[in-house]
Amino acid sequence: TQLLEQSPQFLSIQEGENLTVYCNSSSVFSSLQWYRQEPGEGPVLLVTVVTGGEVKKLKRLTFQFGDARKDSSLHITAAQPGDTGLYLCAGDAKTSYDKVIFGPGTSLSVIP
Amino acid sequence: SAVISQKPSRDICQRGTSLTIQCQVDSQVTMMFWYRQQPGQSLTLIATANQGSEATYESGFVIDKFPISRPNLTFSTLTVSNMSPEDSSIYLCSVVGSRGDYGYTFGSGTRLTVV
Repeated sequence: TQLLEQSPQFLSIQEGENLTVYCNSSSVFSSLQWYRQEPGEGPVLLVTVVTGGEVKKLKRLTFQFGDARKDSSLHITAAQPGDTGLYLCAGDAKTSYDKVIFGPGTSLSVIP
Repeated sequence: SAVISQKPSRDICQRGTSLTIQCQVDSQVTMMFWYRQQPGQSLTLIATANQGSEATYESGFVIDKFPISRPNLTFSTLTVSNMSPEDSSIYLCSVVGSRGDYGYTFGSGTRLTVV
């Protein structure tokens, strides 16, 4: 069974601090996606990583895909209150085309 | 990427009743997906809805409880039947985004409370 784990589950930090969120699995994924979900909204795709070792940057967010394509990290530099939300990683499911499985999420709160 | 309109955005329903959630996409899509997100938790796939065929349900979800319609390539409905308080969740529909990013586009969700 494919499973994605995320850590930490909850994170509360001061504005301006840096943080890293981790997404791990024992399974190999052909791609991993990161989403952010704000209260009352559906998840919004931030990035997809496809190649082992790949690093992608989106303003203050840096995403990395592990060399073995089993894990990924999201690093936020100088966090802002607007970064508050639930961060979800998702990976392609082996059982069906176009289906993904989601990790349990990391709830981030950035305090002004 | 596609734009999804989902309604209602929220509802409070009585135990034993049913609620139908609608999802309209602004472009034609082959597959639509329905997810449940229980309070404070991640997303669990309920079923995949293909136009012209019966929906494919994930383990733990059955058609009698969550009937799905997919009358055309831009629209789908999910009904939550004979509701109990345990059905209180956010229900989300989604479609595959553009092939370039492999991601999903989600509706804004329906927050259901069963009392």
